[in-house]
Amino acid sequence: GENVEQHPSTLSVQEGDSAVIKCTYSDSASNYFPWYKQELGKRPQLIIDIRSNVGEKKDQRIAVTLNKTAKHFSLHITETQPEDSAVYFCAASRSKSTFGDGTTLTVKP
Amino acid sequence: GAGVSQSPRYKVAKRGQDVALRCDPISGHVSLFWYQQALGQGPEFLTYFQNEAQLDKSGLPSDRFFAERPEGSVSTLKIQRTQQEDSAVYLCASSLQRQTNQPQHFGDGTRLSIL
Repeated sequence: GENVEQHPSTLSVQEGDSAVIKCTYSDSASNYFPWYKQELGKRPQLIIDIRSNVGEKKDQRIAVTLNKTAKHFSLHITETQPEDSAVYFCAASRSKSTFGDGTTLTVKP
Repeated sequence: GAGVSQSPRYKVAKRGQDVALRCDPISGHVSLFWYQQALGQGPEFLTYFQNEAQLDKSGLPSDRFFAERPEGSVSTLKIQRTQQEDSAVYLCASSLQRQTNQPQHFGDGTRLSIL
């Protein structure tokens, strides 16, 4: 089955800096790659997604890149703010979604 | 409109008891998913419904786990003879379309604690 690895597990940045979270996947048939933000005790919320026919997608301060050949995708957050602090999950999906173990992002004011 | 609603939010049960967890998806959403999220980990797929049909139950850990969606709307995840390793947050998600590779909307989850 699909295996998704996510790095780093924790990430601490100063407000205004950029943050990058990386994921690798094993199943070359996966074709949909969402990213979720989960605040403590709350539901995961979709923040951005990308499909396998696209290499990059951007939405304001958030961007995702996908390298199908290398089977890895990354989340980039620019101009980080304290409210960006949360756990971020990547996922790879074909017939079902497989999630990474999450990255705890802390943005220090 | 209303998002995905799960009840109860918290459930404490003694080992060996049966529990039932409810999910109300977003109205009109065809696909419904159940996930198990252990502390400090990502959600793990349990099962998937398209309308009332359970198309994939490959993630259910054992035959003690059973899910249903009889009318293609509300779904119930039942765990029989609970064990301590069943303690986790159970998340439900729904999606508008039939395909599984679509954005999913999650509920707040049910935190299950087995004593």
